[in-house]
Amino acid sequence: DQQVKQNSPSLSVQEGRISILNCDYTNSMFDYFLWYKKYPAEGPTFLISISSIKDKNEDGRFTVFLNKSAKHLSLHIVPSQPGDSAVYFCAAYLRGGADGLTFGKGTHLIIQP
Amino acid sequence: EAGVTQFPSHSVIEKGQTVTLRCDPISGHDNLYWYRRVMGKEIKFLLHFVKESKQDESGMPNNRFLAERTGGTYSTLKVQPAELEDSGVYFCASSPRVGDGYTFGSGTRLTVV
Repeated sequence: DQQVKQNSPSLSVQEGRISILNCDYTNSMFDYFLWYKKYPAEGPTFLISISSIKDKNEDGRFTVFLNKSAKHLSLHIVPSQPGDSAVYFCAAYLRGGADGLTFGKGTHLIIQP
Repeated sequence: EAGVTQFPSHSVIEKGQTVTLRCDPISGHDNLYWYRRVMGKEIKFLLHFVKESKQDESGMPNNRFLAERTGGTYSTLKVQPAELEDSGVYFCASSPRVGDGYTFGSGTRLTVV
């Protein structure tokens, strides 16, 4: 009963192009969403977040879009750079629920030169 | 500022043995979390401390797992006795507030053979 789903285990994008990572969730009560980036042998690093009252949040090259009716969010990286190659995790949080984040399985983004 | 430190980085133990993982959070962070990632699966929440108190341990798999945070500083997670399915990467995170602002440690890779 996975509540946060990242259906693409991997994604390959050419350097300079747009990377779009997708995430779906099933629990409509989630009210906060986050993206984390993880390099091998390191812990996840916070990238960007969005509250359920918004539909877009932008931070430099990173933009997260939230479509509540579709229970879908996406992370756009423009332009993609070699250092963006990593595993990206989508996570959701329910204020007033269990204290932990609910993570997806991750998408391995590979930026090709 | 020092990050979240986890020790050991790797541990290989035999089934039935005991292992203790340690996490040193960022100084001043009252919130400390333990998560686990089993190979190829999502990162799963285990438990949450606020200072020395267990706030939420709904993610703990069973009573073979015991977490402590004496004095509200570092935390330990003991697995006794270890089983094969306990293998995975155990992440610790700390934050100044609940729900976001997490900083993760690099994790402890536990292998039970």
